[in-house]
Amino acid sequence: GAVVSQHPSRVICKSGTSVKIECRSLDFQATTMFWYRQFPKQSLMLMATSNEGSKATYEQGVEKDKFLINHASLTLSTLTVTSAHPEDSSFYICSAKGLATHNEQFFGPGTRLTVL
Amino acid sequence: AQSVTQPDIHITVSEGASLELRCNYSYGATPYLFWYVQSPGQGLQLLLKYFSGDTLVQGIKGFEAEFKRSQSSFNLRKPSVHWSDAAEYFCAVGAQGTYKYIFGTGTRLKVLA
Repeated sequence: GAVVSQHPSRVICKSGTSVKIECRSLDFQATTMFWYRQFPKQSLMLMATSNEGSKATYEQGVEKDKFLINHASLTLSTLTVTSAHPEDSSFYICSAKGLATHNEQFFGPGTRLTVL
Repeated sequence: AQSVTQPDIHITVSEGASLELRCNYSYGATPYLFWYVQSPGQGLQLLLKYFSGDTLVQGIKGFEAEFKRSQSSFNLRKPSVHWSDAAEYFCAVGAQGTYKYIFGTGTRLKVLA
């Protein structure tokens, strides 16, 4: 099956700093990548959709200047949380979809962000 | 707009008992439907999916689900639950075209020994 990785798996940062999370498709070309956020004991909420080479499309209520998404290649998308604050602490999960995956997204293992 | 409802927030069953987790969806066309399982602090694992065809879908770990268009449901079942099945279960609907997924709120399964 298609494999998606995320790095780092856990990150702790100080308030006010920026954090970058990488999402890679390891064995397929990801034409579309999705970023989700999951608060403790809650469901996954779609933050944004990124298509390779295009600007990301953000869901309503998600601050695009706060959560910068770059999808510069067919195997890599990055999410940068800028000027992070404690309320940004969450579990961030990416997923990827490509021509080879048909109608299905493949999910990364997630990144636990803790902002002190 | 698409939406997913998982009516049961928590379910507790005894080991060896049967299980049914409910999922109802709202979508204008034939949806893509998924069930995922998530253990604490972990990512999502796909249990099964429905795109088209046979409405009874077999998945991993002995799970199955049945798509019922008339009831807009995609309930997950397992005939005999194991203690290792204790986890959070999410139903998701995928939209044709955008391929966006909408997740239900999840059902937390507890298994009694």
